Amino acid sequence: NAGVMQNPRHLVRRRGQEARLRCSPMKGHSHVYWYRQLPEEGLKFMVYLQKENIIDESGMPKERFSAEFPKEGPSILRIQQVVRGDSAAYFCASSPDRGTGQPQHFGDGTRLSIL
Amino acid sequence: GNSVTQMEGPVTLSEEAFLTINCTYTATGYPSLFWYVQYPGEGLQLLLKATKADDKGSNKGFEATYRKETTSFHLEKGSVQVSDSAVYFCALSDLAEGAGKSTFGDGTTLTVKP
Repeated sequence: NAGVMQNPRHLVRRRGQEARLRCSPMKGHSHVYWYRQLPEEGLKFMVYLQKENIIDESGMPKERFSAEFPKEGPSILRIQQVVRGDSAAYFCASSPDRGTGQPQHFGDGTRLSIL
Repeated sequence: GNSVTQMEGPVTLSEEAFLTINCTYTATGYPSLFWYVQYPGEGLQLLLKATKADDKGSNKGFEATYRKETTSFHLEKGSVQVSDSAVYFCALSDLAEGAGKSTFGDGTTLTVKP
């Protein structure tokens, strides 16, 4: 029973490059959430997706950031033209449905460093 | 919008001491409440949850009671161990705010010394 798998665990990019973060949810889970954690802070919601649909992207910056969860394959969080302020840990979580009583299962995160 | 406020850390205790980490919330609807724990270099793991008023969540000696009248969900443990050293996050999930996303507090770092 694999948990939520995120890769890479660590990603280093130079300013202006693109970063792609991948997340495979737990087996049987069709709801994926992305969060960003800045040093010494809590998790901030970015986007909620179901297969082939973005349900809520209210926490995602309007520019440079995009997310997808295709019918086949992992969910991808894409950051274009990265800047130093994008340095953070990005966590993916999944759940079997959107009920509020359902806890979210988290991956170990991708730590993005921008040089 | 919804929000979660946690007791500021860091908290340092000796082994076998009593632990309380305060958490209060504001929510539009009737949220479910959670405590997650994060060990260094890892993601968050669910510690316990409560889905309605007066419910008590418990796990591994930790407890928290959903208090609607005080909008609180304080985490307690009677006797902490060195292995409990981690960052603890209080969170809520409220469909009234839309979707199934969770709102997290800023986390409280606990260090337990032998």
